[in-house]
Amino acid sequence: DTAVSQTPKYLVTQMGNDKSIKCEQNLGHDTMYWYKQDSKKFLKIMFSYNNKELIINETVPNRFSPKSPDKAHLNLHINSLELGDSAVYFCASSPRGYGYTFGSGTRLTVV
Amino acid sequence: GEDVEQSLFLSVREGDSSVINCTYTDSSSTYLYWYKQEPGAGLQLLTYIFSNMDMKQDQRLTVLLNKKDKHLSLRIADTQTGDSAIYFCAEKGMNRDDKIIFGKGTRLHILP
Repeated sequence: DTAVSQTPKYLVTQMGNDKSIKCEQNLGHDTMYWYKQDSKKFLKIMFSYNNKELIINETVPNRFSPKSPDKAHLNLHINSLELGDSAVYFCASSPRGYGYTFGSGTRLTVV
Repeated sequence: GEDVEQSLFLSVREGDSSVINCTYTDSSSTYLYWYKQEPGAGLQLLTYIFSNMDMKQDQRLTVLLNKKDKHLSLRIADTQTGDSAIYFCAEKGMNRDDKIIFGKGTRLHILP
């Protein structure tokens, strides 16, 4: 039983395309997050949702749009993909105030 | 703003102890964490410590917190080849919306 699952695991796409990454957690956590990990392994928060409500929206291009249909899902849609968007994107969830459980990541490569 | 700093690389001989250090700037930190990331995998929570504690031990892992100096360390006793990974220090402050700030990660390399 995977606690936080992301799909797809790998995504290769051309510049200018629109793509989505899906995330689901079965832990009953209230809060979900998207993090971006660059090629140097640096992690930066992008968004967080608490019970479908946007809580954190860091400085991220508005080509990135999170969507939370319910508290178990937080999807990330990216429009007009650029080369610099290539990275590993991690979804995570937490009960409010505690440490995160991470998904295994989606490696996005824009060519 | 909030910041978490750690050295990027550490090499240790198999069987020795590894000590990974971290400093942070947020004096309102409530929780401090150590995460482990193996190649091609997500981040795994190794251990955490509340800010009102100064030490926590869990089998081979010892976490030390010096709140006055805002310094956190992770000691891995009897380091094994399976400990080879990137270790991220992270902290959560009281005044933020559950946002956890991560350091840049320390890559632990095990020498034979």
